[in-house]
Amino acid sequence: DIQMTQSPSSLSASVGDRVTITCRPSQVIRNGLGWFQQKPGKAPKRLIYAASTLDSGVPSRFSGSGSGTEFTLTISSLQPEDSATYYCLQHNSFPYTFGQGTKLEI
Amino acid sequence: EVQLLESGGGLVQPGGSLRLSCAVSGFTISTNDMSWVRQAPGKGLEWVSIISRSGDSTYYADSVKGRFTISRDTSKNRLYLQMNSLRADDTAVYYCAKGGWLEHWGQGTLVTVSS
Repeated sequence: DIQMTQSPSSLSASVGDRVTITCRPSQVIRNGLGWFQQKPGKAPKRLIYAASTLDSGVPSRFSGSGSGTEFTLTISSLQPEDSATYYCLQHNSFPYTFGQGTKLEI
Repeated sequence: EVQLLESGGGLVQPGGSLRLSCAVSGFTISTNDMSWVRQAPGKGLEWVSIISRSGDSTYYADSVKGRFTISRDTSKNRLYLQMNSLRADDTAVYYCAKGGWLEHWGQGTLVTVSS
């Protein structure tokens, strides 16, 4: 099974800051990676799929990049509504696996 | 509009069984892979299972393999998760999702396994 190591586990930042969250799979995956945002008491929402493709309606300040064994989610200019927990998911091979999550406080 | 609505959660004793249902509208499950994901209280997300659009292929997390079964009824446009031999560590909110890449999610149904 592919293990996903996500870092950091938490971070605190200010409005307007640029932040980066990283996921490292335990083995090489192609671009089979997605990023999800979850707010307290709500279902997760997908932001990015196939490593770098932004879902419809997701603000352009979110971006994804990477391949192989390192992937990143970048938020270019933090907004108050970005406070949430973020997860990566590898969907390259079964069983699919999530990262441990990153709690972002603003 | 895509909507997924889970039901069937509740309190069950260890060793018991439960069947979750996911009612889908806004798209047809026969043309989409469908997935289940769970989240234990205060914990992260855990991928559980997937059924292919053809219905011919299913895959499971190691933690549920042999105990859970994913299925569907295309005439009702519903997805199911049959959960047997439930354990305390199966306690979680269970979400159904569209696609293998989890494009859209339901709001979840809580399963509590406790005596």
